[in-house]
Amino acid sequence: EDQVTQSPEALRLQEGESSSLNCSYTVSGLRGLFWYRQDPGKGPEFLFTLYSAGEEKEKERLKATLTKKESFLHITAPKPEDSATYLCAVRPLWVGGSQGNLIFGKGTKLSVKP
Amino acid sequence: EAQVTQNPRYLITVTGKKLTVTCSQNMNHEYMSWYRQDPGLGLRQIYYSMNVEVTDKGDVPEGYKVSRKEKRNFPLILESPSPNQTSLYFCASSLNSGGYNEQFFGPGTRLTVL
Repeated sequence: EDQVTQSPEALRLQEGESSSLNCSYTVSGLRGLFWYRQDPGKGPEFLFTLYSAGEEKEKERLKATLTKKESFLHITAPKPEDSATYLCAVRPLWVGGSQGNLIFGKGTKLSVKP
Repeated sequence: EAQVTQNPRYLITVTGKKLTVTCSQNMNHEYMSWYRQDPGLGLRQIYYSMNVEVTDKGDVPEGYKVSRKEKRNFPLILESPSPNQTSLYFCASSLNSGGYNEQFFGPGTRLTVL
């Protein structure tokens, strides 16, 4: 069964304390892996798409990496405004059925204290 | 501004009273989808549409209906709402169902069924 697992469920950091969030997946082939940021009560906001193992993408203090079984979202010197829930989603290779659907993990809730 | 809009944003209703949540996108996207988000369960797909007049069930379709008569609109219909449909609902769209296209999310509709 296709599955996405994120860890930890929650992470508390001090401002400036770098860390990483993990997204591990088991799918029958991967079309793409997506990272989203979600603020309380709001819709997920797209951050990155990764397509193949070894790929990396960066945006401000965030850097996403991908291996064959997992992805990491590295946060360098975080600030309080980085506090949010970070969601990982995969789009698997489907044999039949929709090729557009995403499978989401449950997210990591990040809190950055000043 | 490119966006996905949903209405209403908040809704309190009673068991059995039919309701419709509207979703509209202005990006000429082919693919649209509805999700519900519940604590501890993450985002789960209800229905999706790969194009006009093409819809299919997601993971949790029971109790919901959709239609896609126009490319820009994808309303979610609850014919006879029940308390277990109390949730936060998100509409999303992407250019097409191809593997590399991220989904853009609406702001969410918080539904309470008494």
